[in-house]
Amino acid sequence: DQQVKQNSPSLSVQEGRISILNCDYTNSMFDYFLWYKKYPAEGPTFLISISSIKDKNEDGRFTVFLNKSAKHLSLHIVPSQPGDSAVYFCAASARGSQGNLIFGKGTKLSVKP
Amino acid sequence: GAGVSQSPSNKVTEKGKDVELRCDPISGHTALYWYRQSLGQGLEFLIYFQGNSAPDKSGLPSDRFSAERTGGSVSTLTIQRTQQEDSAVYLCASSYRGDQPQHFGDGTRLSIL
Repeated sequence: DQQVKQNSPSLSVQEGRISILNCDYTNSMFDYFLWYKKYPAEGPTFLISISSIKDKNEDGRFTVFLNKSAKHLSLHIVPSQPGDSAVYFCAASARGSQGNLIFGKGTKLSVKP
Repeated sequence: GAGVSQSPSNKVTEKGKDVELRCDPISGHTALYWYRQSLGQGLEFLIYFQGNSAPDKSGLPSDRFSAERTGGSVSTLTIQRTQQEDSAVYLCASSYRGDQPQHFGDGTRLSIL
């Protein structure tokens, strides 16, 4: 059973528009959430994180929203750029478990010029 | 470069052979993690080292898998008597502390013939 789910395997967006990537989790002990971006043949690159004490964190074009009651988080990218095309992974941890991350299967984002 | 370094980048070996994968974490990072990504899957946690504490081996899939971290820096993941299902990309990550974002290497692509 997957504790972190990314139900959309792919997403296509026009350049300049907003990209919204979604993630659901089942474990109520998770209190730290991260988004990673991965290009082919490279390791995942950390993008942005959010602690469960917050419901929003913003860093430039990237904003993560957390809805604890729905056990749902989303990553908004605005405006989307062709260089954003990559696979995006949602990850979660219960820091009491000392930081190992549980990852979703990823969503492949394609931003078309 | 000051990132996480993994070697080799690719490894092809015959079923039944032993393999060793190496990870050089970012200097000063006390936490080190191993994950693997099988085709079409998310990242699967394998093992976690934090400072001088006993490692968290809860993610290792079988006793054929083991890892060491010498001197609190370089780590080696060893897979004995490899099987075809061991084929995956093995990713190493490090973080300043266990509750900080993890930074990944580019991985070792392991193929078992």
